[in-house]
Amino acid sequence: EAGVAQSPRYKIIEKRQSVAFWCNPISGHATLYWYQQILGQGPKLLIQFQNNGVVDDSQLPKDRFSAERLKGVDSTLKIQPAKLEDSAVYLCASSLNRGGQETQYFGPGTRLLVL
Amino acid sequence: AQTVTQSQPEMSVQEAETVTLSCTYDTSESDYYLFWYKQPPSRQMILVIRQEAYKQQNATENRFSVNFQKAAKSFSLKISDSQLGDAAMYFCAYRSAVRASGTYKYIFGTGTRLKVLA
Repeated sequence: EAGVAQSPRYKIIEKRQSVAFWCNPISGHATLYWYQQILGQGPKLLIQFQNNGVVDDSQLPKDRFSAERLKGVDSTLKIQPAKLEDSAVYLCASSLNRGGQETQYFGPGTRLLVL
Repeated sequence: AQTVTQSQPEMSVQEAETVTLSCTYDTSESDYYLFWYKQPPSRQMILVIRQEAYKQQNATENRFSVNFQKAAKSFSLKISDSQLGDAAMYFCAYRSAVRASGTYKYIFGTGTRLKVLA
């Protein structure tokens, strides 16, 4: 079974530029999560999808961050314009709703550096 | 709102020894799960062990076990016979009760960096 795929793995941009990250979840996983992990901190949920609908985006800075999951499979997270404080690892995770046995599977992450 | 606290930023253990990582949480929910995840340097996060809140028996997975104290809202991870490959960041995570959407919310602690000394 293929894992969660993310690209690119690394990205360096200047502040005020835009950037996009891509995530391909495990096949059949209905729930997809985007997390922001700042160095030295735990992952913070940015947005959660159930199929192609948004379940939770309460911590997404909507003035600069956007995300979509048009066909309920792949997802894209965009930052426009980027700020220095957006430097972090962006983790994508997916899960197959199985009640108590649900497990999140994480991708390798995209490491973003904003200069 | 639920919170997860890991008060040990860094821990060290000698190879083959035992180490315990601490985690406390706060919630008003009765139906939840707790997890420990491992994140090796520059590698992806993987699940180590999970605990169901309504089960009194502590979960174990080979060398990994938990001490779940529900009343105290404490969830510690014990690693026995530590190996060099155990060196990583360890995150404690809380999973909420199921929401109306049929999904769950996960909240992570700030992590504990475990060093294993040869």
